[in-house]
Amino acid sequence: KAGVTQTPRYLIKTRGQQVTLSCSPISGHRSVSWYQQTPGQGLQFLFEYFSETQRNKGNFPGRFSGRQFSNSRSEMNVSTLELGDSALYLCASSPYSGTDEYFGPGTRLTVT
Amino acid sequence: AQTVTQSQPEMSVQEAETVTLSCTYDTSESDYYLFWYKQPPSRQMILVIRQEAYKQQNATENRFSVNFQKAAKSFSLKISDSQLGDAAMYFCAYKDYGGATNKLIFGTGTLLAVQP
Repeated sequence: KAGVTQTPRYLIKTRGQQVTLSCSPISGHRSVSWYQQTPGQGLQFLFEYFSETQRNKGNFPGRFSGRQFSNSRSEMNVSTLELGDSALYLCASSPYSGTDEYFGPGTRLTVT
Repeated sequence: AQTVTQSQPEMSVQEAETVTLSCTYDTSESDYYLFWYKQPPSRQMILVIRQEAYKQQNATENRFSVNFQKAAKSFSLKISDSQLGDAAMYFCAYKDYGGATNKLIFGTGTLLAVQP
């Protein structure tokens, strides 16, 4: 099976802009979670989607949002970008909520 | 709230030797999962091994094994016959069992260097 794919792999944006990141889970996986990785805060949970519904949300401002489509593909959106949003954004998929999570290669976002 | 602590920021091991990475966690739950993930320089997170808290037997995956001490809330990873490809950042992670809060809680990581 193909692994989790994320696009784009690298992105450079300017403060105040918005960005959309995409994640395609492993075929058959219905749960998609997003994580932010930064040197200062480490790995932090953003949110989880299962069957097109957001099931859990981490402690992030409302500028961070996401959605999941009927084919389980997921997107996350960050509006009004801040310098502190520069990070590696990781997507993980699992067959069902509560099982092993398999990660994609990540999207490296740089905000200037 | 659950927390995961990795007290060894960096470790080093000689090729073919054995190394143990430490992890402690805190939770009031009785059922949960514990994981070790590997993140090489490519930044791709790779699942190394999983332990279910209700299982007393320690998990093993080839050269990787864990020492799970539930009462002590300790979960260490042992890598036997270390290889150059084992060099990476290793993260210990916790997840509640049952999926009510399906999120991984990560430690701060241990950077493992493998010396030839």
